[in-house]
Amino acid sequence: QVTLKESGPVLVKPTETLTLTCTVSGFSLSNARMGVSWIRQPPGKALEWLAHIFSNDEKSYNTSLKSRLAISKDTSKSQVVLTMTSMDPVDTATYYCARIKGINYYYGMDVWGQGTTVTVSS
Amino acid sequence: SYVLTQSPSVSVAPGKTAKITCGGNNIGSKRVHWYQLKPGLAPVLVIYFDSDRPSGIPERFSGSNSGDTATLTISRVEAGDEADYYCQMWDSSSDHVVFGGGTKLTVL
Repeated sequence: QVTLKESGPVLVKPTETLTLTCTVSGFSLSNARMGVSWIRQPPGKALEWLAHIFSNDEKSYNTSLKSRLAISKDTSKSQVVLTMTSMDPVDTATYYCARIKGINYYYGMDVWGQGTTVTVSS
Repeated sequence: SYVLTQSPSVSVAPGKTAKITCGGNNIGSKRVHWYQLKPGLAPVLVIYFDSDRPSGIPERFSGSNSGDTATLTISRVEAGDEADYYCQMWDSSSDHVVFGGGTKLTVL
């Protein structure tokens, strides 16, 4: 059974750096043509894609947030880590990780984590 | 950057058919996926590659994509289908994932 689970702080202060971890099971981060994406949803708003990383270490970032984001993976630990710098209250959201099937999202994001809620407040 | 447009809300009576649309310039040439979001639960992929259903998704869910509109159709709607639905595609020109603004399906 494929599962993904997000973990990280519930509360961060403005200007701090957020570090989120996605721990996967049921598949390997080295599986060809698979990857992990990070997506967020602010309260009452739409989904927003943040970044992804594929098995070949190919990475891509949301252009509007690129300067603040970094994504990496540790295949041996089955973890994908996303860091976001200079957190602001507008970054308050539920953050999800999801498995990507196929290059260029050919088969979409077939399994998602339940999400972790992050609040940015002093 | 590419934009996907969804109506904010759709309402339908139980047992009827709901159509949720996703508009975009020549979207028929793209691969579109659809996700169901319910509060407190992990999002679920309900349609991939325009019209394919993942295992475990009822046959009541179907999709189509042509011209400037992709459509998610839910037949014989049930109360449990009440959720937010998002379309999504990969924009190869910008190396970006694009989501629509989401449609809230209300079952009357």
